[in-house]
Amino acid sequence: AQSVTQPDIHITVSEGASLELRCNYSYGATPYLFWYVQSPGQGLQLLLKYFSGDTLVQGIKGFEAEFKRSQSSFNLRKPSVHWSDAAEYFCAVGDNFNKFYFGSGTKLNVKP
Amino acid sequence: DVKVTQSSRYLVKRTGEKVFLECVQDMDHENMFWYRQDPGLGLRLIYFSYDVKMKEKGDIPEGYSVSREKKERFSLILESASTNQTSMYLCASSFTSASGELFFGEGSRLTVL
Repeated sequence: AQSVTQPDIHITVSEGASLELRCNYSYGATPYLFWYVQSPGQGLQLLLKYFSGDTLVQGIKGFEAEFKRSQSSFNLRKPSVHWSDAAEYFCAVGDNFNKFYFGSGTKLNVKP
Repeated sequence: DVKVTQSSRYLVKRTGEKVFLECVQDMDHENMFWYRQDPGLGLRLIYFSYDVKMKEKGDIPEGYSVSREKKERFSLILESASTNQTSMYLCASSFTSASGELFFGEGSRLTVL
């Protein structure tokens, strides 16, 4: 069965520091992978997505993610975090039947 | 820009009441979804619809039903609300393609007393 694991529930980083949020998935075929961000009280906004090709994908707001098939991972990175990045981040896998499976989310706090 | 609009941002209902959550999208998407979001559990799929009058159960359909009479509108119905249905409900839509990403509404926070 498809599943997505985000092992970190909360992460705190200092403003200006680098960030990496972990995501591991379980899926039998080539996955369609997504990262979404949710600001407090809001819906989810797509940060980036991977379907095929280059395993390093660039997204909005300076985020990037790398697909590693051998590790079943799709970790999200940002070289320098801004206070406005404080939010909850969700990793998701999409299948060929238009269904999506979400991780439980990682809440990011940014220290001034 | 794609817009997914959920009619109510905040609702307070009493146990046993019938609750309607409405969702409208303006991008002619074939697929529409209802998710429930609870802390530590992420998003769990309640129902989805891939065409008008078509629906499929998601992972947690018990206590819920849905209606899709028009392509742009997808309603979630709680026939008899219970306190354990207090949650954030998110509607989403997408095109029917293997790479179709989800577009989300802002959510409806339901409290059942």
